[in-house]
Amino acid sequence: DAGVIQSPRHEVTEMGQEVTLRCKPISGHNSLFWYRQTMMRGLELLIYFNNNVPIDDSGMPEDRFSAKMPNASFSTLKIQPSEPRDSAVYFCASTMTVNTEAFFGQGTRLTVV
Amino acid sequence: DAKTTQPPSMDCAEGRAANLPCNHSTISGNEYVYWYRQIHSQGPQYIIHGLKNNETNEMASLIITEDRKSSTLILPHATLRDTAVYYCIVPSYNAGNMLTFGGGTRLMVKP
Repeated sequence: DAGVIQSPRHEVTEMGQEVTLRCKPISGHNSLFWYRQTMMRGLELLIYFNNNVPIDDSGMPEDRFSAKMPNASFSTLKIQPSEPRDSAVYFCASTMTVNTEAFFGQGTRLTVV
Repeated sequence: DAKTTQPPSMDCAEGRAANLPCNHSTISGNEYVYWYRQIHSQGPQYIIHGLKNNETNEMASLIITEDRKSSTLILPHATLRDTAVYYCIVPSYNAGNMLTFGGGTRLMVKP
């Protein structure tokens, strides 16, 4: 397996534009997590899916952020409209079951200018 | 998550053992201790996890105290490539075992 795949690796966009980040978890994994990392706030858990269902989205900062998981092999994180303070590295991770290790993607570095 | 406390930074000489401590005094009986590390600009990488017994794999050893209130990650022969931020995490069973990251320990391995 190629691991957790995120796209794009880098994204530069203008304030107010819509941004969509994509994640393909490892095949057979049942849980998927989206994280955001900044120097100021570290690694923050945004949302967690189990069997394609959002379980906890309490970390999603605002209504401008939304995440979907239409099937077991694909998830998106959308920001609309984007703001400069959304600039960060966004990571996706997947796990097979509870109490097993999480595998992280390489991240998407988002810059909003 | 059960709160974890780690020193913000540590140094280690190359080739020596690196011992990274973690306190998790509020851990519950069914909660595991996980260790991850993040090398600059990369996604976090799983290292090891355990419940009660000490664990060892090709990367590291995990020593958990008998009362489970603290643990130590041991890198037996640290190399320059082990320079990273190391995170000790205790996912809460009641919170769906979500992984939430604290500040971690920034380990600097020096020649």
